[in-house]
Amino acid sequence: AQSVTQLDSQVPVFEEAPVELRCNYSSSVSVYLFWYVQYPNQGLQLLLKYLSGSTLVKGINGFEAEFNKSQTSFHLRKPSVHISDTAEYFCAVSGGNTDKLIFGTGTRLQVFP
Amino acid sequence: DAGVIQSPRHEVTEMGQEVTLRCKPISGHNSLFWYRQTMMRGLELLIYFNNNVPIDDSGMPEDRFSAKMPNASFSTLKIQPSEPRDSAVYFCASSSPGNGSPLHFGNGTRLTVT
Repeated sequence: AQSVTQLDSQVPVFEEAPVELRCNYSSSVSVYLFWYVQYPNQGLQLLLKYLSGSTLVKGINGFEAEFNKSQTSFHLRKPSVHISDTAEYFCAVSGGNTDKLIFGTGTRLQVFP
Repeated sequence: DAGVIQSPRHEVTEMGQEVTLRCKPISGHNSLFWYRQTMMRGLELLIYFNNNVPIDDSGMPEDRFSAKMPNASFSTLKIQPSEPRDSAVYFCASSSPGNGSPLHFGNGTRLTVT
């Protein structure tokens, strides 16, 4: 079975500061990893995905994530955040023969001016 | 591309009533997923279909919940009878063929059962 752990439920940060949102996964098969963002009253939008190849993945809005197989992690980073990045961020995993996507519990990023 | 379309956006109903949520996936996508989001449990996968066939319904809470996909462009999630604990935001998502294809989400239906 696959699972995802997002240890931080909330991350407060000042505008223009760097941020890292942590994600660890557990899987017995090769995985595909995703980060999604959810703005208030909206559905989830794909930020970036790792399927194979380069372990550093770049996504939209200046976000990037690094796949680390030995540490089973897929942390999300941004060097300088904006107020508009305030949202809920979800890490997710799928793999094996299934299309099923398992989500973490989410991290609320709050950017202050 | 209009994206995944869900209706209604909001539904308020009384306990015991039947509720039907609707979803139109993105054209060409062959997998469809129903998720439920609550503060307490986060995002839970209820059921997913592949080529209109239910593949995994292990997340469906109980017999009061049922889902159908009569064709590639339409799916419903029905709750009968509804209970206050069913109050949540229900999301539909679809994905294209191929391993690792990302999910595209609708804007959800906010269900309130009083």
